[in-house]
Amino acid sequence: GENVGLHLPTLSVQEGDNSIINCAYSNSASDYFIWYKQESGKGPQFIIDIRSNMDKRQGQRVTVLLNKTVKHLSLQIAATQPGDSAVYFCAEKSGNQAGTALIFGKGTTLSVSS
Amino acid sequence: SAVISQKPSRDICQRGTSLTIQCQVDSQVTMMFWYRQQPGQSLTLIATANQGSEATYESGFVIDKFPISRPNLTFSTLTVSNMSPEDSSIYLCSGDLAGAGHEQFFGPGTRLTVL
Repeated sequence: GENVGLHLPTLSVQEGDNSIINCAYSNSASDYFIWYKQESGKGPQFIIDIRSNMDKRQGQRVTVLLNKTVKHLSLQIAATQPGDSAVYFCAEKSGNQAGTALIFGKGTTLSVSS
Repeated sequence: SAVISQKPSRDICQRGTSLTIQCQVDSQVTMMFWYRQQPGQSLTLIATANQGSEATYESGFVIDKFPISRPNLTFSTLTVSNMSPEDSSIYLCSGDLAGAGHEQFFGPGTRLTVL
C-alpha cells in the first residue's frame, strides 16, 4: 500500500548546524502532514504540521517545506542542539477530519554532537 | 493539547498469556488509535477505536488477537491475547482532540516483552 517514507535512516550533525530531514510520500491524496520527534523511551511528540494548500510553515527553530509536485516533505531545524537528538518521523493522512489515523514513515535518527 | 497516560509502562509476560494495556486521556478525544512499534521501526496502526462501536482493525490485525474497548471519550484498553515472542513490541495509544481535527497526541507507550 501507499505509505510515507524517508530518504535517510540516520543524520549526524554538529551543534549549531542546520539540519534537514527529508521525507517522500506516494499518496497524492494526502492533504495533511505532521513531523514528530520521538526520544528514547517516549511516545512521538508533535513538532509541526502543514496542510496541502501550503508549501511552507515555520515554527520555533523549525520549518516544514512541502513540494506536492514531487511529493516531498522536509523538516529544517535551525541551530541544532544536543536536545534535538531523537528519531524524527513524518506522517500523513487524507481527509481534513478528526478520526482519521496517521500513517507513519520509517524515521530518521538525528544525532547531534557538541 | 492533551496528556495521555498508559499502564503498564512495561511488562514481561509468558508465552500464551494475555495483557491488557490501559490508555487514559485528560481531555475528551474523538477517536483513539492503537499503534505498534517494533524495535527500531516506525509505528504501525493496529486499530481505530470509537466510543460505542466496535474498533476498526487494519490489515493483519484481528479482534480475537487484539480486542479493544472504548467505554467513554477518555479511556480505552488494548488486550494482547495469547502472546508469543513475536508480540514483543512497544504499544502506543493516541487520540485526537474533539474539535481540533488534526493533531494526534501520543501516550508514552507500553514496552512488552514476551518470553
